[in-house]
Amino acid sequence: KQEVTQIPAALSVPEGENLVLNCSFTDSAIYNLQWFRQDPGKGLTSLLLIQSSQREQTSGRLNASLDKSSGRSTLYIAASQPGDSATYLCAVRGFSGNTGKLIFGQGTTLQVKP
Amino acid sequence: NAGVTQTPKFRILKIGQSMTLQCTQDMNHNYMYWYRQDPGMGLKLIYYSVGAGITDKGEVPNGYNVSRSTTEDFPLRLELAAPSQTSVYFCASSYSDRTRGYGYTFGSGTRLTVV
Repeated sequence: KQEVTQIPAALSVPEGENLVLNCSFTDSAIYNLQWFRQDPGKGLTSLLLIQSSQREQTSGRLNASLDKSSGRSTLYIAASQPGDSATYLCAVRGFSGNTGKLIFGQGTTLQVKP
Repeated sequence: NAGVTQTPKFRILKIGQSMTLQCTQDMNHNYMYWYRQDPGMGLKLIYYSVGAGITDKGEVPNGYNVSRSTTEDFPLRLELAAPSQTSVYFCASSYSDRTRGYGYTFGSGTRLTVV
């Protein structure tokens, strides 16, 4: 059974710092991995999607990497800003049929202090 | 605006009551999902559908039912509400196109409290 773990559960950094959020998964047979952002009381917004054949994806100040063999993904946020404060969730899609189902980690809650 | 719309946003139920959470999407996505999120936890899949008339159980289906009569709508029914069903419920939809990686769109959620 696939399990997804995110460490740390919470992180507080001063504005301007570069930071890394970690995601690990137990079954390396994944179809893709996605990183989502969740603001308090809101739904989830997709940030980056990495296909199993890819090693990384970039969008602005965000860079996500994927190492399937070690079951790890990282989300790198450059020059953090207070507006980056949110909960970040990673999710993997396995090969359990053609359904698109995702398995989520518990999330990392990020606070960027001005 | 295109997207996934959930109603209601908030609801308080008494133990034993029933209700339906509504979800509709206007992106012509074949795949739709219901997840629940408990405090400090990730999302867990309740039910999903790969097209009109087709539904299947996810990880935590007990106490819930769904139907998918149209591509656009995927309501979630709670029968005999219990305190354990206090949670935030998210509906989502995605492409069924592998080349687009099953990109997900989430609704804004329904916060349900059972007392």
